[in-house]
Amino acid sequence: EIVLTQSPGTLSLSPGDRATLSCKTSQSVTSAYLAWYQQKPGQAPRLVIYGGTSRATGIPDRFSGSGSGTDFTLTISRLEPEDFAVYYCQQFDSSLMYTFGQGTKLEIK
Amino acid sequence: EVQLVQSGAEVKKPGESLKISCKGSGYTFTNYWIGWVRQMPGKGLEWMGIIYPGDSDTRYSPSFQGQVIISADKSISTAYLQWSSLKASDTAMYYCARRNQEVFNGMDVWGQGTTVTVSS
Repeated sequence: EIVLTQSPGTLSLSPGDRATLSCKTSQSVTSAYLAWYQQKPGQAPRLVIYGGTSRATGIPDRFSGSGSGTDFTLTISRLEPEDFAVYYCQQFDSSLMYTFGQGTKLEIK
Repeated sequence: EVQLVQSGAEVKKPGESLKISCKGSGYTFTNYWIGWVRQMPGKGLEWMGIIYPGDSDTRYSPSFQGQVIISADKSISTAYLQWSSLKASDTAMYYCARRNQEVFNGMDVWGQGTTVTVSS
């Protein structure tokens, strides 16, 4: 089973800052099957990035995904107040198994 | 509008059985896999398993195999998650979500969640 490790656990930044969230996988994964989700308190998760780099419907272009192999990154170029949330990376494999990382909490400094 | 609507909150006692539901609308239910995700209080997301309503092909995470049953009734566009004997450790929020090949198998539509509380 592939393990996804996200860092940092908590990231304290201010609106207008740049956020860089990391997701490392225990073995190489296809970037096409790497996704990122945003979850705000009391809400269901929301797909942010799919296929490693593509923004989901309605996601602003300040969000970007990158990476390959075992190292993947979600970058938010200029934080808006509504971006503060918990972010999860997720990978999918050919046997229809999904795995989530443990999450990074992005909080207002 | 494409949406998944889940059944309401449940409060159960240990040992009781439970079946929660997830009804799809606004799209062809039988063409998309539906997954289930657990979120224990204050914790992260855990993927439980997935079903293809078209033929009921089902896959389980090893962590949940034998612990729950995932099923679907395509005639009413509804997927289910059930337990035969609940434990206190099953207390959590449970989400269903649609897998979409058009977004590289990401989960693009989520239900609102069903809270399950198991307490004596």
